[in-house]
Amino acid sequence: DAGVTQSPTHLIKTRGQQVTLRCSPKSGHDTVSWYQQALGQGPQFIFQYYEEEERQRGNFPDRFSGHQFPNYSSELNVNALLLGDSALYLCASSSPGQLALRRTDTQYFGPGTRLTVL
Amino acid sequence: AQSVTQPDIHITVSEGASLELRCNYSYGATPYLFWYVQSPGQGLQLLLKYFSGDTLVQGIKGFEAEFKRSQSSFNLRKPSVHWSDAAEYFCAVGASILTGGGNKLTFGTGTQLKVEL
Repeated sequence: DAGVTQSPTHLIKTRGQQVTLRCSPKSGHDTVSWYQQALGQGPQFIFQYYEEEERQRGNFPDRFSGHQFPNYSSELNVNALLLGDSALYLCASSSPGQLALRRTDTQYFGPGTRLTVL
Repeated sequence: AQSVTQPDIHITVSEGASLELRCNYSYGATPYLFWYVQSPGQGLQLLLKYFSGDTLVQGIKGFEAEFKRSQSSFNLRKPSVHWSDAAEYFCAVGASILTGGGNKLTFGTGTQLKVEL
């Protein structure tokens, strides 16, 4: 059973550029969340996608946008990159069954994409 | 707003010694609590979770955690630490669907565990 996968593993960009990160959820999961983890910090919630729509968003500017495809995979796009966007970007997936049980999701994380902005 | 505090940034223990990592949370309703572990350059692996019921939760790799509502704590414990347990540990609180929290996780800043041989 494949877990959550992310691509690419590492990425180097310069200020002002745009970047797209990709995530494939765990088999059977339909909800994808994105987190940013700066060096020495805990992950910070960016947004969550369910049924191809953004369901909830954290305190991130509009430069951060996303998309979810019919196969539940997801992309995170960041425009006009800043030095401060350098971080590990984590994708997490969760299943609908726990929603039906009216519980919070258990989120399973991928290995992350390390983004460096120069 | 929900928040998590992990008071210890670094902890060093000897292999075979017991371990307790502290976690305090702030949340207005029934919390959903998690512990994750992160090895260098890796993603997060779920150790255990608390949703309801028994306040002592067992997880993988011999870890357990106890939910204490009166102290707003969810401390992680292991009776005998192995060198392979060296990693960073994150406590997280999840919002409740019932309160419209949308299931986002709020993490603490983590505790870096070093194991001396």
